[in-house]
Amino acid sequence: AQSVTQLGSHVSVSEGALVLLRCNYSSSVPPYLFWYVQYPNQGLQLLLKYTTGATLVKGINGFEAEFKKSETSFHLTKPSAHMSDAAEYFCAVTRIGGYSTLTFGKGTMLLVSP
Amino acid sequence: GAVVSQHPSRVICKSGTSVKIECRSLDFQATTMFWYRQFPKQSLMLMATSNEGSKATYEQGVEKDKFLINHASLTLSTLTVTSAHPEDSSFYICSARTSGAFTDTQYFGPGTRLTVL
Repeated sequence: AQSVTQLGSHVSVSEGALVLLRCNYSSSVPPYLFWYVQYPNQGLQLLLKYTTGATLVKGINGFEAEFKKSETSFHLTKPSAHMSDAAEYFCAVTRIGGYSTLTFGKGTMLLVSP
Repeated sequence: GAVVSQHPSRVICKSGTSVKIECRSLDFQATTMFWYRQFPKQSLMLMATSNEGSKATYEQGVEKDKFLINHASLTLSTLTVTSAHPEDSSFYICSARTSGAFTDTQYFGPGTRLTVL
């Protein structure tokens, strides 16, 4: 069984500040990990993913995440927040190979203030 | 690449009617499509998984006779909400996955907002 925990349903940052969204997973087998972003009344857009290889992955819009097996974490970061980053962010996990379904976290709403 | 569309984007219907939502993969063949439901301020809940040419696999608690899924081609899956009731009002999102080089990633449609009066 797999599960995802996103710490903090809401995260507030000032424009230009560091963004850190936390994600911890539980998986009995090697995982594939994903971060998706959802803007209001829209579907999900893939930000980045970890499958195999380099543990630090870079995505779109300046986001990156690091897979830390020892900590079972896949935290999402961005050095400098923009107003346009305000959205809901979902961490998700699936089994290696990707042939199983995605398990989503509950989501974290990122609020960016001027 | 990897674009998924949904139609309609928004639908309002009367209680007791049926509503069909289409999900299309525009630039790739989707051997597997997924249907999710999302309530306000909540995460996505997987309803069912459909593979082209075979019956959908429904998650526990999802009524297969109420939520009819058809995946007749490699680019189209449909979700029909039969005899809709106000409690079926929700945001329905589909996703698609290919069997080629990107089997690990699901690509999501923009969602369909269903309101049942």
